[in-house]
Amino acid sequence: AQKVTQAQTEISVVEKEDVTLDCVYETRDTTYYLFWYKQPPSGELVFLIRRNSFDEQNEISGRYSWNFQKSTSSFNFTITASQVVDSAVYFCALSGGNNFNKFYFGSGTKLNVKP
Amino acid sequence: DAMVIQNPRYQVTQFGKPVTLSCSQTLNHNVMYWYQQKSSQAPKLLFHYYDKDFNNEADTPDNFQSRRPNTSFCFLDIRSPGLGDAAMYLCATSRDRGGGLQETQYFGPGTRLLVL
Repeated sequence: AQKVTQAQTEISVVEKEDVTLDCVYETRDTTYYLFWYKQPPSGELVFLIRRNSFDEQNEISGRYSWNFQKSTSSFNFTITASQVVDSAVYFCALSGGNNFNKFYFGSGTKLNVKP
Repeated sequence: DAMVIQNPRYQVTQFGKPVTLSCSQTLNHNVMYWYQQKSSQAPKLLFHYYDKDFNNEADTPDNFQSRRPNTSFCFLDIRSPGLGDAAMYLCATSRDRGGGLQETQYFGPGTRLLVL
């Protein structure tokens, strides 16, 4: 069974603080994909990153970085020097097995960045 | 810019009155999806089309139907909306699903449905 857990329901930080959003997944598949999406108040889900199960390299994109660790089944997302515009709900998602089209979303983490 | 477009952004309907939500895409993607997202919850997949092949999720109520007349457009029909159907409806597309390779899903801005 596929499952994604985002244990942090809501996080509040002050602008310029670093913040890490946790994502833990469960799967029996050897090939799978992990995603992060951002959902600002406007509602649109914005794609941030995709990672496949064979690529454990961490990735950095500007202020965003991702730490993928298969040993702990985690795919955590760090925002460095947070900004008010980072305020949104962030979803981690998993796909794999026989149906790569089906995304298993975590419950989301709401990030509040205060000025 | 190429994108996924949903109209209208807000839709108000009456209990039991059929309503149709629309989605169009300029990405020329083969796969189109409809999700339902209720407040403070994760998106829930209702169904998807791979080209003209319709794939329904097992737990999607019969009240929800979909049409895809061509590559660019996909519609969500709610035959008899109930109060519990009030939600954000998100359309997404992905280029393909062939060869076991997952394709990233790109989402539209959503239509927020209110049922009175």
